[in-house]
Amino acid sequence: EVQLLQSGGVLVQPGESLRLSCAASGFTFSSSAMSWIRQAPEKGLEWVSGISGSGDDTYYADSVKGRFTISRDNSKNMLYLQTNSLRVDDTAVYYCAKDKKVNAIVPELDYWGQGTLVTVSS
Amino acid sequence: QSVLTQPPSASGTPGQRVTISCSGSSSNIGSNYVYWYQQLPGTAPKLLIYRHNKRPSGVPDRFSGSRSGTSASLAISGLRSEDEADYYCAAWDDTLSGPGLVFGGGTKVTVL
Repeated sequence: EVQLLQSGGVLVQPGESLRLSCAASGFTFSSSAMSWIRQAPEKGLEWVSGISGSGDDTYYADSVKGRFTISRDNSKNMLYLQTNSLRVDDTAVYYCAKDKKVNAIVPELDYWGQGTLVTVSS
Repeated sequence: QSVLTQPPSASGTPGQRVTISCSGSSSNIGSNYVYWYQQLPGTAPKLLIYRHNKRPSGVPDRFSGSRSGTSASLAISGLRSEDEADYYCAAWDDTLSGPGLVFGGGTKVTVL
């Protein structure tokens, strides 16, 4: 059974940093690209970043480029999102999601984690 | 402001057919696959349709997708109470500033 378990919610202040984690099991992790998608309170979905199965290729939304870094450790079946210089408008539930494919272009997200609420507030 | 445009709401009575539209451009829907995600209240999204019109295992054939030019649509036939959810279209966007996945703003389907 495919499982994506995310770290718990957190409250941080504007300007601070945070690393989100996603533990994968039930599939060959290195054979799947992965993505992070976020959803602000009462808002729609916003794709944040994607990474290929090998970790060699990464993609970012313009809204987070230069502030967020996606990475993976295939030896530990872990996906990460390092978030720096957090802003109030980064407040959202962050989902990790598994891709049906190994390359990160045109994500086909067939399994999603339970989500992690990140609140950025002073 | 979402890159893909969806109506904010749609509704129907049980058994009816409901259609949700998704409008984009040549850099996204016009040149890449369209995906549809269903988000039930309080849960993570679920892949409903991929590559315009394909259903993952377990998705009822009441759900169907199509694309024409720079627009796409999701149809739900034989509407059921458990279909009440938010539906999002998505497509890869080949923008010069940097490619990425774009979503529609979502359509809330209400079963009357």
